[in-house]
This record gives sequence, structure tokens and C-alpha cells, in this order.
Amino acid sequence: AQSVAQPEDQVNVAEGNPLTVKCTYSVSGNPYLFWYVQYPNRGLQFLLKYITGDNLVKGSYGFEAEFNKSQTSFHLKKPSALVSDSALYFCAVRALNDMRFGAGTRLTVKP
Amino acid sequence: EPEVTQTPSHQVTQMGQEVILRCVPISNHLYFYWYRQILGQKVEFLVSFYNNEISEKSEIFDDQFSVERPDGSNFTLKIRSTKLEDSAMYFCASSPTGGKFTEAFFGQGTRLTVV
Repeated sequence: AQSVAQPEDQVNVAEGNPLTVKCTYSVSGNPYLFWYVQYPNRGLQFLLKYITGDNLVKGSYGFEAEFNKSQTSFHLKKPSALVSDSALYFCAVRALNDMRFGAGTRLTVKP
Repeated sequence: EPEVTQTPSHQVTQMGQEVILRCVPISNHLYFYWYRQILGQKVEFLVSFYNNEISEKSEIFDDQFSVERPDGSNFTLKIRSTKLEDSAMYFCASSPTGGKFTEAFFGQGTRLTVV
């Protein structure tokens, strides 16, 4: 079965520092991986996806994610964090008829 | 930019009552989904819908739940007899295709509170 895991419930970084939000996956076949962000009292917003090709995927708001097949990981990264990046981040894997989400990681960026 | 819209934003209902959550997916999308999120926790898949029928459902989606596309634009989730544990944020989503490489677009959610 397709699944993803987010090992960290909470990530804290200082504004201006690089951030990483971790995700590992377990899939049968080729992985199709996604990152979504949820701001308070809002729905899920699509950030980026990995389908095939380059292992470094660029997405919205300056985020990027690195696909690593040997480590079965798809970590979300940003070179310089902003306070406004504080939100709940979900990694997801696409199955044929639905999308399976990780438990979420709460990112807090402090000024 | 087209978006998925959900109504109402907040619904309070008494235990045992029926509720209908409404969604208008993006107009040219063909695949529709309902997810729920209990109090900022994991987003859980409920059901997917294509070509006027359920294509997949999770173990959460029992006989108390049903979905319908009553016309060309709306997509509804009905809970027949609500329980306290149905209290959650319910998200509707849609995608243009059902392929594995297609992201889903989510609505803002309906917060259901069962009292």
C-alpha cells in the first residue's frame, strides 16, 4: 500500500535560516509524491510534486523538494525561511483513486 | 483562478441529525473527493467519485455516509445520523484526471461540530 511518513511533529527555525521538513515514502511501483501546506483555518494548498525526472523539484513560494530514491525520502526545503511560512505541512503520495497524506509537520518560523 | 468552494464554512448539528455538506468542484474537473481532518490531525481519505459513481472508499466511509452529484456542478456528502466523533473539518477536492501524477485541489473546508 502507498504511504508516507513525516517523522517530525514540529520543526522550529529562525527567520532567514534554511528549513527542512522531512518525509519518507513506501510505495509499490513508481512514487508520485506531493507537498501541501495548510495555513490556520484554511484548506490545503498544493506546493509541488515529483513525478519523474530531476530529483530537485521547485514549487510555490520558494519551496523545493529533493527526491532521494535510495533513502526513499522526499524532503521539503527552503533556503531562507520567512515568518509567513509558519503553517502545517503535509506530504502525500498519490494512489490511483485517492491521495494518502502524512500526519503533518507544524513549521514555526520565529523572527 | 478557479477554486473549489464549500458551504457552509461551519455547521453545528445535534447528534443523530442528518447533515449535508456541499461542494462545487472546479468546473472542468472529473474526479471528486472527500477528506476529513480531526482537530488539526492527519488528513484522512473518505471517498473518491468519478463518472457518477464511487471509485474508492475508505473504512471510515460506512453506511452512514453517502455522496451524490445531484446536478452538473454540486458534489455533496451526507451523513445520515451524526455521531460526536464525526466532528471534524471536511474537505472537498477535485482533480482534472484520476492519474497518479495529478494533484488534487482542495476547498476551504466545512467545520462540522456535532453536539
